[in-house]
Amino acid sequence: QKEVEQNSGPLSVPEGAIASLNCTYSDRGSQSFFWYRQYSGKSPELIMSIYSNGDKEDGRFTAQLNKASQYVSLLIRDSQPSDSATYLCAVKAGGTSYGKLTFGQGTILTVHP
Amino acid sequence: NAGVTQTPKFQVLKTGQSMTLQCAQDMNHNSMYWYRQDPGMGLRLIYYSASEGTTDKGEVPNGYNVSRLNKREFSLRLESAAPSQTSVYFCASSESGFGNTIYFGEGSWLTVV
Repeated sequence: QKEVEQNSGPLSVPEGAIASLNCTYSDRGSQSFFWYRQYSGKSPELIMSIYSNGDKEDGRFTAQLNKASQYVSLLIRDSQPSDSATYLCAVKAGGTSYGKLTFGQGTILTVHP
Repeated sequence: NAGVTQTPKFQVLKTGQSMTLQCAQDMNHNSMYWYRQDPGMGLRLIYYSASEGTTDKGEVPNGYNVSRLNKREFSLRLESAAPSQTSVYFCASSESGFGNTIYFGEGSWLTVV
């Protein structure tokens, strides 16, 4: 089992719709959770971080964390064509692997006008 | 504002050649990372250094060595390059501790022929 798995894509949504991206992780000791966006040919950039169970909202983005289910998600409301990119879920370990940051394989999102 | 700087940006190697990817950060971060990114595979951790003086293997360390030269610099060496090491390599850094954001370099495109 991969340490971090994301829902298989690609995901295509119409402009203005809600895009839902999902991620599961295997290490129950994981402490921090991140969503990165990566445009083609560019380095990843941080969109959201979440550390506690529940929802965290930042503009059109909402991250959701459920540690009991080992699940983290990202919702993008009012999706725009500029949101078209690869979205990477990342999980930061605790315990003996403290500091290790592991990424999922990424989900390609396309927002069509 | 240099952030994370990695060199070279592009390199073509012949099978069996060696090379070193250089990475430096000017944010006084404790932790540094090397990832490789292949199509459909997300970012896979090669090695990381949680703090100066320590290095640990990540998910795909075979064929690579690293040196944490000082707090600023973290280099990745390919001793005998293989075509399977053709990839985009990203260096990253973060403050150690709970939830700190990772900052990425711009990437190094390596082709082994």
